[in-house]
Amino acid sequence: ETGVTQTPRHLVMGMTNKKSLKCEQHLGHNAMYWYKQSAKKPLELMFVYNFKEQTENNSVPSRFSPECPNSSHLFLHLHTLQPEDSALYLCASSQRWDSSYEQYFGPGTRLTVT
Amino acid sequence: GQNIDQPTEMTATEGAIVQINCTYQTSGFNGLFWYQQHAGEAPTFLSYNVQDGLEEKGRFSSFLSRSKGYSYLLLKELQMKDSASYLCAVRDGDYKLSFGDGTTVTVRA
Repeated sequence: ETGVTQTPRHLVMGMTNKKSLKCEQHLGHNAMYWYKQSAKKPLELMFVYNFKEQTENNSVPSRFSPECPNSSHLFLHLHTLQPEDSALYLCASSQRWDSSYEQYFGPGTRLTVT
Repeated sequence: GQNIDQPTEMTATEGAIVQINCTYQTSGFNGLFWYQQHAGEAPTFLSYNVQDGLEEKGRFSSFLSRSKGYSYLLLKELQMKDSASYLCAVRDGDYKLSFGDGTTVTVRA
């Protein structure tokens, strides 16, 4: 247990569906992140939130929409996804984004788009 | 973009030592991390280097040479549970963390 939880752990959705991924951290951190991990590819940073403000959007398509209502919760809203969006989506948190502090990762949501 | 290279796979025997190299070319540098990721699980933090030299943590050590854009992770007294993917990640000048593809280490009895 890293102190970062994600739900659901597995999700299968059609291309016309709308779903949301949820992340919660119990570490008192101020920065939260969404990463995408595809087979045979490195972890790709998607979004960064620092003190609830988005500081990074790594050229992510608009069909992925993040939401950070407070420093402990992070959502990723999904709509009209493509099959190539199937991947493991990892949430992480750290004390701050602009520091040497390591990131703590959640267990991830395995997403399959059919 | 950033360029981070590490070997794809390595195999070693239980009790042996394995060294995983990582070379990087990034726009600025604010530290290098090593993470361990078991299949189907989240990455977990192993080590952090921001100054040149060796950081030792039990059976694991990490080395950094900023002038050479080079790091390695040394795993000593290998155990079966060390079979995992090891990720090298570099924080660039804008504090963005970029990951390498990962090195899959297989420990054989």
